Amino acid sequence: AQKVTQAQTEISVVEKEDVTLDCVYETRDTTYYLFWYKQPPSGELVFLIRRNSFDEQNEISGRYSWNFQKSTSSFNFTITASQVVDSAVYFCALSGKNTGNQFYFGTGTSLTVIP
Amino acid sequence: DTGVSQDPRHKITKRGQNVTFRCDPISEHNRLYWYRQTLGQGPEFLTYFQNEAQLEKSRLLSDRFSAERPKGSFSTLEIQRTEQGDSAMYLCASSFPRPRDEQYFGPGTRLTVT
Repeated sequence: AQKVTQAQTEISVVEKEDVTLDCVYETRDTTYYLFWYKQPPSGELVFLIRRNSFDEQNEISGRYSWNFQKSTSSFNFTITASQVVDSAVYFCALSGKNTGNQFYFGTGTSLTVIP
Repeated sequence: DTGVSQDPRHKITKRGQNVTFRCDPISEHNRLYWYRQTLGQGPEFLTYFQNEAQLEKSRLLSDRFSAERPKGSFSTLEIQRTEQGDSAMYLCASSFPRPRDEQYFGPGTRLTVT
């Protein structure tokens, strides 16, 4: 079975603080894919990153960085120097090679950045 | 290049009525997905098309739900005899042919069943 757990339901930070959003996944597939999406108040899900299970290299894109650790089945997302525009719900998602083409989403973490 | 579009954006209907939603994917994408999202939850997969073929259906997709993609371009999702539990945001996504490519989502259709 595929499962994604985002234990943090809501997080509030003051602008310019760093914040890490946790994602823990479960899968029996040896090949799988992980994703992060952002859902701002407007409602449209915005793709942020895709990571393959065989590529454990961490990635940095501007203020965003992702830490993928297979040993702990985690794919955490860090926003450095947060801004008000980062306020949104963030979803982690999983797709396994042998379980069809659907994405399994976590329940999301609602981030509020306070000015 | 336009993104995924959905129509209507909002739909209010009375219980027992039928509703139909439309999704227009990104033109180069041959894969199309429908998801349902309720408040405080992540999107839940409903069904998936590759071109005009419906290849996967979730157990969530009861017999009151039907989806089509007749020409491999736009898709429709119909809900017959709506129930209050059908109230949700219905999301459409599309992706390139490569397996596990990122999916690009539309703005969604918010359905309220009264």
